[in-house]
Amino acid sequence: DAGVIQSPRHEVTEMGQEVTLRCKPISGHDYLFWYRQTMMRGLELLIYFNNNVPIDDSGMPEDRFSAKMPNASFSTLKIQPSEPRDSAVYFCASSPGTAFNYGYTFGSGTRLTVV
Amino acid sequence: DQQVKQNSPSLSVQEGRISILNCDYTNSMFDYFLWYKKYPAEGPTFLISISSIKDKNEDGRFTVFLNKSAKHLSLHIVPSQPGDSAVYFCAASDTDKLIFGTGTRLQVFP
Repeated sequence: DAGVIQSPRHEVTEMGQEVTLRCKPISGHDYLFWYRQTMMRGLELLIYFNNNVPIDDSGMPEDRFSAKMPNASFSTLKIQPSEPRDSAVYFCASSPGTAFNYGYTFGSGTRLTVV
Repeated sequence: DQQVKQNSPSLSVQEGRISILNCDYTNSMFDYFLWYKKYPAEGPTFLISISSIKDKNEDGRFTVFLNKSAKHLSLHIVPSQPGDSAVYFCAASDTDKLIFGTGTRLQVFP
């Protein structure tokens, strides 16, 4: 398996533009998580899905952020409109279950810069 | 309202010596704790975990200690190697999600 695949690796956009980040989880993993990494807050959970259904989106910072998982092999995180404070590295992770001896498998992340 | 805290943003250790990374948490209901390691331009990778019913778990050079009364855990790396230089994240399980700390950057020098 190729692991969790995120695209793009880097995104530079102007303030006010729409940004879409993409994630393909590991096949067979029922859970998908979106995290954001910043210096101040470390790895912050934004939202997670179980069997394509959003379970907890309490970490989504504002209504400008939205996430979807239309099927078991694809998820998107959208920011509209983007702002400079959204600049961060965004990670997607997947897991086969909630037994934490599994841990999560993370993608390589998308570095977003909003200018 | 950070539930998982890593108060040392960085740590520098000489090769061959012990590295000790610390983590504190506030929620006594956390039942599983994990450490992740992150290299630049890569995603975090799982390193070692410990259940709340244990106080120690060892895997090769890596040992995690849990002190539930103090709500504190630590990761010991012995002996430290230059390849251990990375950012280490502590995480705690809250039902079916992980809460991560802010990370500690470890640098192991020759």
